[in-house]
Amino acid sequence: SYDLTQSPSVSVAPGQTATITCSGDKLGDTHVSWYQQETGQSPVLVIYEDSKRPSGIPERFSASNSGNTATLTISETQAMDEADYYCQAWASNTMVFGGGTKLTVL
Amino acid sequence: EVHLVESGGGLVQPGGSVRLSCAASGFTFSKFWMHWVRQAPGKGLVWVARINNDGSVATYAGSVKGRFTISRDNAKNILYLEMNSLRAEDAALYYCAREFGGPTVVSDYWGRGALVTVSS
Repeated sequence: SYDLTQSPSVSVAPGQTATITCSGDKLGDTHVSWYQQETGQSPVLVIYEDSKRPSGIPERFSASNSGNTATLTISETQAMDEADYYCQAWASNTMVFGGGTKLTVL
Repeated sequence: EVHLVESGGGLVQPGGSVRLSCAASGFTFSKFWMHWVRQAPGKGLVWVARINNDGSVATYAGSVKGRFTISRDNAKNILYLEMNSLRAEDAALYYCAREFGGPTVVSDYWGRGALVTVSS
């Protein structure tokens, strides 16, 4: 089975840039999506096809995918960005999620 | 506006069965592939199953294959998940999600989830 690995937690000060990574074998050869899940809420798609933002997602959210690593970057991080973030790919006819990264805005 | 509303969860005994429903509105349901994704309390997202737009093709995670069945009624705009031979590890919040469509598989809208508890 295909695995996606994320760091369990990331902390960032308000106004600073948060970087969340997702690693997998040859991940750059497939498309990666990112979801934000606030406590007690359903997941929200924030990035799809590696770097595209759905309508309504702030430009502060950006992402890239190359080699074995996909990266979600949140610029000028705000308290409202505090949430769990999951990367996701489609591999071997299976939707695969990373284990999630808890972003804490200090 | 897209709405997905799950129902049918509850307390089920190990080995028991339950059927979840997901009522869709705000979009042409018959044009979209759909998914079920689950999340155990305090844990991450885990994909369960996917079905194509006309209900003729379904794929499953290995952990549920042979026990769960995804289906849909396009006339009623409802997605189903029939869950049999339930185990303690199947206890989770079950989300239905719409597949975005495009060059990859991604879910752009999610419901609020239906909670399934497996306990004697």
